[in-house]
Amino acid sequence: RKEVEQDPGPFNVPEGATVAFNCTYSNSASQSFFWYRQDCRKEPKLLMSVYSSGNEDGRFTAQLNRASQYISLLIRDSKLSDSATYLCVVNTYYTGGFKTIFGAGTRLFVKA
Amino acid sequence: EPEVTQTPSHQVTQMGQEVILRCVPISNHLYFYWYRQILGQKVEFLVSFYNNEISEKSEIFDDQFSVERPDGSNFTLKIRSTKLEDSAMYFCASTLAGGQQETQYFGPGTRLLVL
Repeated sequence: RKEVEQDPGPFNVPEGATVAFNCTYSNSASQSFFWYRQDCRKEPKLLMSVYSSGNEDGRFTAQLNRASQYISLLIRDSKLSDSATYLCVVNTYYTGGFKTIFGAGTRLFVKA
Repeated sequence: EPEVTQTPSHQVTQMGQEVILRCVPISNHLYFYWYRQILGQKVEFLVSFYNNEISEKSEIFDDQFSVERPDGSNFTLKIRSTKLEDSAMYFCASTLAGGQQETQYFGPGTRLLVL
């Protein structure tokens, strides 16, 4: 089983749609979770951290379910500029440090 | 806003040659990282570095790779004898502290092509 697994995508949605991305992680010792956004041929940029209680930033809502080892990202009222690849990122703590694992990403296309 | 910078943006080299990729992390950050992303694939962790020492490294980071902080601002990744499969985008990242909740700030990457 992959350490971090995401919906394969691509998702093609019209402007204004609501879209949800899922991510599962295999290591129950994982402690920190993030969603990054990556535009084509660019670097990953942090979209939001994911907290146990869930968190919202404008049109974006992230949820974490530790029992199911599942993370989600909801985008409401999609904009053309939301078109990108969304990366689920998990940090797992080991003695002396932590390991950062990226999911393969889910590509989103928002159409006019 | 402070940012991580990387040079060169593109590098083309012949198989077997040595390359050095350079990064200037955000000035007050203490932890530095290298990642690679082969075209069409996921971002993969290579190495983390703190206090002039490697903190963690992945299985990818073999003896062909080395990292260095030669002065107070640069952080370099050296590939001693490049292979075709080293062709990828290499991203440098930095964090202020080493906590796993820390946001990693990524540079724009160096696209390495090995011929």
